[in-house]
Amino acid sequence: DIQMTQSPASLSASLGETVTIECRASEDIYSNLAWYQQKPGNSPQLLIYDANSLADGVPSRFSGSGSGTQYSLKINSLQSEDVASYFCQQYNNYPFTFGSGTKLEIK
Amino acid sequence: EVQLQQSGAELGKPGTSVKLSCKVSGYNIRNTYMHWVNQRPGKGLEWIGRIDPANGNTIYAEKFKSKATLTADTSSNTAYMQLSQLKSDDTAIYFCALNYPGTGVMDAWGQGASVTVSS
Repeated sequence: DIQMTQSPASLSASLGETVTIECRASEDIYSNLAWYQQKPGNSPQLLIYDANSLADGVPSRFSGSGSGTQYSLKINSLQSEDVASYFCQQYNNYPFTFGSGTKLEIK
Repeated sequence: EVQLQQSGAELGKPGTSVKLSCKVSGYNIRNTYMHWVNQRPGKGLEWIGRIDPANGNTIYAEKFKSKATLTADTSSNTAYMQLSQLKSDDTAIYFCALNYPGTGVMDAWGQGASVTVSS
C-alpha cells in the first residue's frame, strides 16, 4: 500500500496569512492526488484534484502543487471559514490512502 | 446538483451486523464508482472500498475484506455497505462518496452515518 505522510499535524496561523500543508507519498503517484477540507461536524469536501486542479466552487486562494512523491496545499489570505482539517489522498493505486490530516486553527 | 443521503445512526451489539445505505440523487450511479470511507472518533479518514454499480465489481482494502460488503441497487440509485461481526473498534462515522468517471477523486460525499458498537 502507498503510505501518505502529511505534515504538520496541526497548524495555527493569523487571518490573512499564507499557510502550506505538505504530503509525501511512499512512491511516485504521478500527480494522482486530491486534497479535501473537513469542517468540524461535516463530511469532507473536495478542494483540489490531479495535484493542482481546483474543484468547482473552491476559492482561488487555495492552490495545489507538486509531483512525484511530494505535494503541497497552499492557502493564501487565510480566512476564518478556513478553520478545518485537511487531508490528502492518493488515487494512483488501490487501496486508496489518505494522509493523517492537518488541523488548521486561527491564532 | 448531486446529493448523497445516508441512512441514520446505528447502534449494534458486538457480533452482529448493520447495513448502511446511501441514496444518490442528481446523478445515475451506473456511471460512477461509489466509495466508502470511515473516520474513527477523533481520527483521520480510512478508505474501505468501492463498487462499480453497473456490474457489481468491488475492490476492498485488505483489512475490510471480511468486514465490509458493498452492494448497489441501480433501480433505486442506492449504494449499501454491510458491516459484519461488529467489534468495538468498528465504532466510527461511515461516509459514502461518489466518484465521477475518469478520476479517482471523491467528488461528492454523504453526510456520514454513525455506527456505535456496544453491548
